[in-house]
Amino acid sequence: EIVMTQSPATLSVSPGERATLSCRASQSVSSDLAWYRQKPGQAPRLIMYDASTRATDVPPRFSGSGSGTDFTLTISSLQSEDFAIYYCQQYNDWPQTFGQGTRVEI
Amino acid sequence: EVQLLESGGGLVQPGGSLRLSCAASGFTFSSYSMSWVRQAPGKGLEWVSVINIGGEITKYADSVKGRFTISRDNSKNTVYLQMNSLRVDDTAIYYCTRKKGGANPCDYWGQGTLLTVSS
Repeated sequence: EIVMTQSPATLSVSPGERATLSCRASQSVSSDLAWYRQKPGQAPRLIMYDASTRATDVPPRFSGSGSGTDFTLTISSLQSEDFAIYYCQQYNDWPQTFGQGTRVEI
Repeated sequence: EVQLLESGGGLVQPGGSLRLSCAASGFTFSSYSMSWVRQAPGKGLEWVSVINIGGEITKYADSVKGRFTISRDNSKNTVYLQMNSLRVDDTAIYYCTRKKGGANPCDYWGQGTLLTVSS
């Protein structure tokens, strides 16, 4: 199975600052990569798919890049609702594996 | 508005069985694949199973293969997860998700239902 590795495990950032999250696949997943945000006590929400396409109603401060094995999610100016856990997921092959998550904290 | 409402979670003893349901509304259910993703307490996300639009193609994580069965009833806009031979490590919140197709992300998620397997 494809192993997804996210870094860092925890990212400490101040509101208004930029956050950069990384996700690496153990083999190429082309651009079949999604990012989800999970706030405490809530279900995950899709924020990015096909590596760089924002999901519906996701603000432009979120951007994604990468292809093959290395991917990045950038949040240009952190808002209060962005302090959460972010997961990447590949959907190129079965099982469609998730990374272990990056916690973005104040 | 897309809504996915899971039900059927609860406390079960090891070796027991349970069926989860997910009632969908706000979209044409028969045009979407559906999947289940779980999250153990304090842990990350684990994909569990997926079913295609007609129900004839299903896939499972190795951890549940042979014990869990996914199915759907397009007349009732509902997807199910039959879970047998439950183990303590099946304890998790189970999320129902919608997918445009197999090779697509989960674009909508339900709020989840908690399964606890314990004696």
